[in-house]
Amino acid sequence: QSVLTQPPSVSGAPGQRVTISCTGSSSNIGAGYDVHWYQQFPGSAPRLLIYSNNNRPSGVPDRFSGSKSGTSASLVISGLQPEDEAGYYCQSYDTSLSGPVVFGGGTWLPVL
Amino acid sequence: EVQLVESGGGLAIPGQSLRISCSTSGFIFGDYGMSWFRQAPGEGLEWIGLVRAKASGGTAEYAASVKGRFTLSRDESKGIAYLHLNSLNIEDTAVYYCARVLYSDFWSGSQYFDYWGQGTLVTVSS
Repeated sequence: QSVLTQPPSVSGAPGQRVTISCTGSSSNIGAGYDVHWYQQFPGSAPRLLIYSNNNRPSGVPDRFSGSKSGTSASLVISGLQPEDEAGYYCQSYDTSLSGPVVFGGGTWLPVL
Repeated sequence: EVQLVESGGGLAIPGQSLRISCSTSGFIFGDYGMSWFRQAPGEGLEWIGLVRAKASGGTAEYAASVKGRFTLSRDESKGIAYLHLNSLNIEDTAVYYCARVLYSDFWSGSQYFDYWGQGTLVTVSS
């Protein structure tokens, strides 16, 4: 049971806009802590995709964006590409015994 | 170019110990904390712990699930972070990753991870 809740899977077709949600609680996202997102291809290490809610590291395409509100955060992929087929994880800081670093369970995104 | 390379995984019998190394290059090792993670087959990411930068005391912090069994350390002269896994059990079977720590809020400890190693597989089986 992950501290942050993500849908196990979302899907989309090339060119579509896809949103992946990440729901937390008052001990993590709701307490104001930043949310970060990682992309992971099968058999590979995670890659930082979005940091501090809505910032893209150098090299990440601008079709990836993030937002945070209340106890939730979202990753949006605009103009889905076949190469975006991957797993996506949200991560935050948590003040409960589950922390301090907590992840969502991950969302698999097949590009149809 | 920042690089992190894990080594030292492999097959272990329940109860045995292993040491995983994370060799780094391309940045000033002493300026950064290093965190460790694992990912069991078909599962999500789990944070294991953090060994802070030398300037922050080089202290370690652990997830409750591994505290007392796993130990983190670092060799500043070699730029290597270590994960010592003791009293291994079957549930410790996973790919283990190291990653460099950045803080989104240093005072709270809120952190994220910008560079990751490729991972090393630890299989615990009798």
